[in-house]
Amino acid sequence: QVQLQESGPGLVKPSETLSLTCTVSGGSISSYYWSWIRQPAGKGLEWIGHINNRGSTNYNASLKSRVTMSVDTSKSQFSLSLRSVTAADTAVYYCARDRLGLNYNYGMDVWGQGTTVTVSS
Amino acid sequence: DIQMTQSPSTLSASVGDRVTITCRASQSVSTWLAWYQQKPGKAPKLLIYKASSLETGVPSRFSGSGSGTEFTLTISSLQPDDFATYYCQHYNSYSFGQGTKLEIK
Repeated sequence: QVQLQESGPGLVKPSETLSLTCTVSGGSISSYYWSWIRQPAGKGLEWIGHINNRGSTNYNASLKSRVTMSVDTSKSQFSLSLRSVTAADTAVYYCARDRLGLNYNYGMDVWGQGTTVTVSS
Repeated sequence: DIQMTQSPSTLSASVGDRVTITCRASQSVSTWLAWYQQKPGKAPKLLIYKASSLETGVPSRFSGSGSGTEFTLTISSLQPDDFATYYCQHYNSYSFGQGTKLEIK
């Protein structure tokens, strides 16, 4: 079955760029969108954005000015960059498979285990 | 942006109870709504998509209903494994509700 694994630094300094990668195994990266979601400790979920295998993206309007997502189909990976981070960006970051099509959306059915990113000097 | 509001924020119930969680949208989202279950330290799990479609492998005691601006997630007979936090999410801006924590009474 499809599995997702997030990877990247657990500690990022304020004002720097947070960079995470999600590796897709056990299935194809094609035909789906791939989302990033984050969750500060003790708080709710926030969708950051998603990307498909052709590089088409949609971002959360509140984060759009700082977010870039990319995809590397040869490695079955997609990535998140979040610029100019502050302590407010400290959270668990999840990647997820998003069953979004032209006229349908069947939700995010496969999730990574999550990775904790702390923004601190 | 469309805002999603869940109620209640916390719900205390017992094993065997029937419980309902409500999610209201600030404007119509048709049936573009999903429900997720999250346990502490774990990733969310998809339960319901398109407002009422049960995800494969999810027990049939879970059901979703609604359209437009009001939606409900119902658990027909609570099991010990169901005590968790539940989130609704709509697909337009992908915003989540604030969550409903289901606690043991």
